Amino acid sequence: DTGVSQDPRHKITKRGQNVTFRCDPISEHNRLYWYRQTLGQGPEFLTYFQNEAQLEKSRLLSDRFSAERPKGSFSTLEIQRTEQGDSAMYLCASSLGGAGETQYFGPGTRLLVL
Amino acid sequence: QQQVKQSPQSLIVQKGGISIINCAYENTAFDYFPWYQQFPGKGPALLIAIRPDVSEKKEGRFTISFNKSAKQFSLHIMDSQPGDSATYFCAASRPGAGSYQLTFGKGTKLSVIP
Repeated sequence: DTGVSQDPRHKITKRGQNVTFRCDPISEHNRLYWYRQTLGQGPEFLTYFQNEAQLEKSRLLSDRFSAERPKGSFSTLEIQRTEQGDSAMYLCASSLGGAGETQYFGPGTRLLVL
Repeated sequence: QQQVKQSPQSLIVQKGGISIINCAYENTAFDYFPWYQQFPGKGPALLIAIRPDVSEKKEGRFTISFNKSAKQFSLHIMDSQPGDSATYFCAASRPGAGSYQLTFGKGTKLSVIP
């Protein structure tokens, strides 16, 4: 299966710790997106990359959050000094680029901050 | 400000019945409207999508109806099956304006009972 993969699938951390999540997009996709989903809500956009360039960032992406996509392949999302309010499912998606709007989502990383 | 409003929040339909979920949007710049299906513990998966130059699109048992003047669109699931029980999200984006972030509704939890 060559879908979007995310690692880890689950993460439990203590408040104040840093966490990093990884996303591997579908291999030929040059757009990569991060979303956050809390219980009972729809996904909320965080940021988007075209190749290695970060082109859009949401106001939800506070200065404790940083995302990278070195070499335009996999991406990492780091949360520094985690807070209980950061507890959510973090979803990664990728799309082909060009006129391809369809975003394919990974299974997500569920974060619990104690 | 919620840009995509989805209703109902939950829906119970008998097997073989028609499930109807509605969405309304505010931003007239949106020009791509997908519906996603999400099972517990999984990432959203694209069901069907429409652009505003058509009023209806059908794929198998799934149909999107689009009313540009009313800024509304809906998902119809014909011959609903227990396997359709999931949470459904409508979404919108502005790829024509170079913005690919999806704005999601809050979701509809569908239960199809035998």
